[in-house]
Amino acid sequence: NAGVTQTPKFQVLKTGQSMTLQCAQDMNHEYMSWYRQDPGMGLRLIHYSVGAGITDQGEVPNGYNVSRSTTEDFPLRLLSAAPSQTSVYFCASRLDRATEQFFGPGTRLTVL
Amino acid sequence: RKEVEQDPGPFNVPEGATVAFNCTYSNSASQSFFWYRQDCRKEPKLLMSVYSSGNEDGRFTAQLNRASQYISLLIRDSKLSDSATYLCVVSYGGSQGNLIFGKGTKLSVKP
Repeated sequence: NAGVTQTPKFQVLKTGQSMTLQCAQDMNHEYMSWYRQDPGMGLRLIHYSVGAGITDQGEVPNGYNVSRSTTEDFPLRLLSAAPSQTSVYFCASRLDRATEQFFGPGTRLTVL
Repeated sequence: RKEVEQDPGPFNVPEGATVAFNCTYSNSASQSFFWYRQDCRKEPKLLMSVYSSGNEDGRFTAQLNRASQYISLLIRDSKLSDSATYLCVVSYGGSQGNLIFGKGTKLSVKP
């Protein structure tokens, strides 16, 4: 199993640009989540999904959209990038709400 | 906001030392508890789950005190490879069981 994969690993955007961060898992996990990690702030939940076709907002959803058309994929879209979205983004998945969460390697995003 | 608070650190200890990390959580309805480890510029990885009766995995011991809403992690005989940031994580149950992460405590083990 590849586990949780994320692309790209690094990205630089200009303010106002849009892009999609890709996330995929091959463990047949129902639960998938997107987090951002900033210095001194810890991991904060952006959006999450408890199964294909079901998504919901986390703690910091503004400026981001998600969709879950398949069990495997959970892309995160930045609609109009802002410098405040400079961060490290982690995608994660788990089988259900009581089991271990596996993280992808992260995407380091810089918005100029 | 549901809070998970950890020792600020950093902890700088010599090899072989015993070090303890503490964590408190604010919501008494919390259901599941974990310690994750995060190496520099890497993703978090599960170190161990924390059970009500306490549990041990080699040099690592985790304990939970529900009455005081307190979790601890004890590392014995520290190794250089234990240097990392340790994240306290709490699940608040419900249909989503979303995880709340502490900000982490950095451990540096020196020769």
